[in-house]
Amino acid sequence: AQKITQTQPGMFVQEKEAVTLDCTYDTSDPSYGLFWYKQPSSGEMIFLIYQGSYDQQNATEGRYSLNFQKARKSANLVISASQLGDSAMYFCAMREETIQTGANNLFFGTGTRLTVIP
Amino acid sequence: DAGITQSPRYKITETGRQVTLMCHQTWSHSYMFWYRQDLGHGLRLIYYSAAADITDKGEVPDGYVVSRSKTENFPLTLESATRSQTSVYFCASSTRGQDYSYEQYFGPGTRLTVT
Repeated sequence: AQKITQTQPGMFVQEKEAVTLDCTYDTSDPSYGLFWYKQPSSGEMIFLIYQGSYDQQNATEGRYSLNFQKARKSANLVISASQLGDSAMYFCAMREETIQTGANNLFFGTGTRLTVIP
Repeated sequence: DAGITQSPRYKITETGRQVTLMCHQTWSHSYMFWYRQDLGHGLRLIYYSAAADITDKGEVPDGYVVSRSKTENFPLTLESATRSQTSVYFCASSTRGQDYSYEQYFGPGTRLTVT
């Protein structure tokens, strides 16, 4: 079973509007973390926002907020006031701890390509 | 340079050749990771390391070998390259951090083409 599901291969948004990128996850581990990364056309992976499974409040970082609904196992990214520079690939990822080594591995979704229209 | 670097950034090799991708980080992070990125698959974990001399397989380890004799270096070797290993390879490192997030910091990637 997929640990991270992103059902929107592509999204369009008008400049200055808000957009929500969907992410659902699957885990039986009570302790986990959820990340969103941005990958522009230049290829680098840019960290945007993090939400821990025990965090009571939704995470926010500037124009980015994470709509965390634990019971639904969803962690949607909301980008407010979209800018042309937000056009990129966006990846949702989940951190789980590997019992054997204590390493915290990330499982990525397949990504959503966001295009901001002027 | 501070941070995490990968070399080479671009590599073209022939089927059957051995090739090594290098990864170096200056933060002394305990954990290091290798991913491959292919269209339609996102990033998939190849190997990871929790510390020097401790490595383990990820989701797609076949055809790859890693070593970690020093904390700062984590080379990835393709023993006999195949066309299916044409991909973009990302190295990452992480540590616990104040928020216990274990955020991963990614290198710039290596684009490998196997002909």
